[in-house]
Amino acid sequence: DQQVKQNSPSLSVQEGRISILNCDYTNSMFDYFLWYKKYPAEGPTFLISISSIKDKNEDGRFTVFLNKSAKHLSLHIVPSQPGDSAVYFCAASFQGAQKLVFGQGTRLTINP
Amino acid sequence: DTGVSQDPRHKITKRGQNVTFRCDPISEHNRLYWYRQTLGQGPEFLTYFQNEAQLEKSRLLSDRFSAERPKGSFSTLEIQRTEQGDSAMYLCASRGEGGEYGYTFGSGTRLTVV
Repeated sequence: DQQVKQNSPSLSVQEGRISILNCDYTNSMFDYFLWYKKYPAEGPTFLISISSIKDKNEDGRFTVFLNKSAKHLSLHIVPSQPGDSAVYFCAASFQGAQKLVFGQGTRLTINP
Repeated sequence: DTGVSQDPRHKITKRGQNVTFRCDPISEHNRLYWYRQTLGQGPEFLTYFQNEAQLEKSRLLSDRFSAERPKGSFSTLEIQRTEQGDSAMYLCASRGEGGEYGYTFGSGTRLTVV
């Protein structure tokens, strides 16, 4: 039962363009969503989060959008840079819970 | 702040052997988590400690797995009678009281059971 899904295993984007990573969830109880970035041989690094009371959160080049009715969130990276090449994980949780439920990840490659 | 430290980074063991991993969280963090990540999947929750109390365990944590956090500082994860299906990256994370869910992960211990 995959409650958080990232249906694109990989994405390739040209440097300077926008990268859009997508994530869908099935559990309507989720009320907090996060994106993590992972380089090889390192643990995931927290990137940005959003509460279900918002539909957008922005931090520099990174913006997360939440569409609760569609149970869908996306991460926009503008402009994309070579250092953004990594695996990106979407994760979800709900109030009172400690654990995060992760998606399978999307490998983003930024081409020069 | 040296981050979350995990030891060893890599472990190769024969099937049936016992293995133990260690995690040292960020010193002021009272919450500690263990996750497991297999190839092509995201991290899966195993267990959670608040201080020295183990408050939540996943069904993934079979009776061959045991985790401890004596004195609420470092934590150990032991796997007894390892099986090939235990081969994975074992990730530890920690976070402090309150705040957001963006906890800090260590670099993980990669276990290979041969």
